[in-house]
Amino acid sequence: GQQVMQIPQYQHVQEGEDFTTYCNSSTTLSNIQWYKQRPGGHPVFLIQLVKSGEVKKQKRLTFQFGEAKKNSSLHITATQTTDVGTYFCAEGSSYKLIFGSGTRLLVRP
Amino acid sequence: GAVVSQHPSWVICKSGTSVKIECRSLDFQATTMFWYRQFPKQSLMLMATSNEGSKATYEQGVEKDKFLINHASLTLSTLTVTSAHPEDSSFYICSARVFGTYNEQFFGPGTRLTVL
Repeated sequence: GQQVMQIPQYQHVQEGEDFTTYCNSSTTLSNIQWYKQRPGGHPVFLIQLVKSGEVKKQKRLTFQFGEAKKNSSLHITATQTTDVGTYFCAEGSSYKLIFGSGTRLLVRP
Repeated sequence: GAVVSQHPSWVICKSGTSVKIECRSLDFQATTMFWYRQFPKQSLMLMATSNEGSKATYEQGVEKDKFLINHASLTLSTLTVTSAHPEDSSFYICSARVFGTYNEQFFGPGTRLTVL
C-alpha cells in the first residue's frame, strides 16, 4: 500500500535556527497535506499542496511540493519555542489520509 | 472554523469491559468521519472510515467486531472498543471531512484509553 516516509525522526535545534522536514513517496502523490501536533494535542491542519512544484508560505513556514509530486518539504525559518511539536505530512486520496511517520521538533530556548 | 469534539477525553477501564467514544462535528455536517489510533511517539494509523447511514470501511488488520463504529447522523460517529485489553490502550482520535471540500480534515481532541 501507499507509504509516505518522513525524515528526520527527531530534530533538536537552538531557538533561531532553521528546521526542515522531508516527506518522500515511491509513487506519485495526488496531494500532500501538512499537520502539526503539539505534545498531548491533536493534529492541526497547516496546508495542502496539489500542484507539481507548488510552493506556499505561511509566515516563517515554507512548504514545497516536488516537481514529480513524489516528495514534499516543510521549512521553518528562525525557529521559536512555540514551534515545538510533531510535524506530519499526509497524502490524501479517496478522501482518506495516509500519514507519514512524523518529525518531532524540539527547540532549545 | 470547523470544530470537532470527542467524549470522553480520557477513560480508564478494566480488561474485558467495553468503552464507547463519541465524535461530534459541532458546526458543520460531516458525511464522512475517520477514526485513528496513535501509540506514544508514533504516527496516526487510520482504523476506519465512517460514513453516515452506511457501514464503516475498516483498514486492513483492524478487527471490525472489536472496534464497532456507528455513524447515526451527520454530526455523530461513535467508536466502541469491545472487550478491551491492555494492548488496546492508546490515543484514539477522530476527524471529520467538511462536505464539499477536497479532503481537508478537522481533528477532535482525542481520547486517551487506558485498559488495566
